Amino acid sequence: QKEVEQDPGPLSVPEGAIVSLNCTYSNSAFQYFMWYRQYSRKGPELLMYTYSSGNKEDGRFTAQVDKSSKYISLFIRDSQPSDSATYLCAMTTNAGKSTFGDGTTLTVKP
Amino acid sequence: EAGVTQSPTHLIKTRGQQATLRCSPISGHTSVYWYQQALGLGLQFLLWYDEGEERNRGNFPPRFSGRQFPNYSSELNVNALELEDSALYLCASSFDRDSTSYEQYFGPGTRLTVT
Repeated sequence: QKEVEQDPGPLSVPEGAIVSLNCTYSNSAFQYFMWYRQYSRKGPELLMYTYSSGNKEDGRFTAQVDKSSKYISLFIRDSQPSDSATYLCAMTTNAGKSTFGDGTTLTVKP
Repeated sequence: EAGVTQSPTHLIKTRGQQATLRCSPISGHTSVYWYQQALGLGLQFLLWYDEGEERNRGNFPPRFSGRQFPNYSSELNVNALELEDSALYLCASSFDRDSTSYEQYFGPGTRLTVT
């Protein structure tokens, strides 16, 4: 069983929709939770990171962590075609090694 | 500010050869991480270097090795290449190992093809 499981997708939504991307994990030692966005043929780009359970908002993006359920989510409001990319969740015990989900490919249609 | 740079962009090798991939971190960053992203698979952690030392290693055979230089740039070496080593190799850097290893910034990657 993988330490991090990510909803596989792919996901296709109309412009303006609210998008929910989700990951579950099994290692209770994970302390930091990150979301990356990866465009085709590019390296991942750090979107947000959170430490504790709760919500963290940055513009149209909201990261949610529920440590009791070992579940994290990324919400994208008012989705735009430019949001079309693969989204990766990642977690770390702060030992330098980040464990990534396999990614969810999102397409936002105009 | 320049981001993480990697070279070469593409590398084609034959089975059994050795490959060397290079990474320059963001200025001021001391930690460098290497990941493998094979087609259809997620990022797999390879190696973490900080202050010139190997700090952590993923579940890869010893033919995957590397080093970090005094200027914090890094090199990944893959010996005795196998077809399954074909992948995008990503380098990331962070400010230091104690407080920001979760805040990693990635380069564009080196695409290695083994024929």
